[in-house]
Amino acid sequence: EVQLLESGGGLKKPGGSLRLSCAVSAFTFTNYAMNWVRQAPGKGLEWVSTINNGGGSTYYADSVKGRFTISRDNSKNTLYLEMNSLRAEDTAVYFCAKDRGYGVGVFDIWGQGTMVTVSS
Amino acid sequence: EIVMTQSPATLSVSPGERATLSCRASQSVSSNLAWYQQKPGQAPRLLISGASTRATGIPARFSGSGSGTEFTLTISSLQSEDFAIYYCQQYNNGYTFGQGTKLEIK
Repeated sequence: EVQLLESGGGLKKPGGSLRLSCAVSAFTFTNYAMNWVRQAPGKGLEWVSTINNGGGSTYYADSVKGRFTISRDNSKNTLYLEMNSLRAEDTAVYFCAKDRGYGVGVFDIWGQGTMVTVSS
Repeated sequence: EIVMTQSPATLSVSPGERATLSCRASQSVSSNLAWYQQKPGQAPRLLISGASTRATGIPARFSGSGSGTEFTLTISSLQSEDFAIYYCQQYNNGYTFGQGTKLEIK
């Protein structure tokens, strides 16, 4: 069974940093683009970032550009999100999501999410 | 940025009845439109992509239609497990989600 398991969430003060991980299993990681999508408490879904299958192309929402960095280690089947200069508005559940292909934009498998809280 | 607008915000329907959810794009997204279902405390689940193609394992009572700027998700005969929040998402130019429609039991 295809699985995505996020980790690394927690409570951080504004201005702090955090690194999220998403370990995947049961599919050929190198064949697919990967994504991060977040959901603030009681709110809807917001796309955060995408990385292509090889890791050479990355894309970001304007709200996180310059502060967040997406990366992947294909040898470890793991996706990452490095989050710097955290703000209160970054408080959300962060989901990793597998793309259907090389960057189709259809998110066909999702992890259960990891909660990030930014508060003083 | 393409803005996706879903209506209504909340839809109350009785089990066994039909539910129709709408999604409008601020500019054409062709057929590059997906629908997701999310239940409380769970991750979203892909229902439909390409505006009308059901994902693997999705029951036939779920159907999608539309192209361009107007899209519809129809659930033909509501089961108890269908009461959830539904999001549309365009992937024609970047990726943006609608704000969601909460489908509740009447």
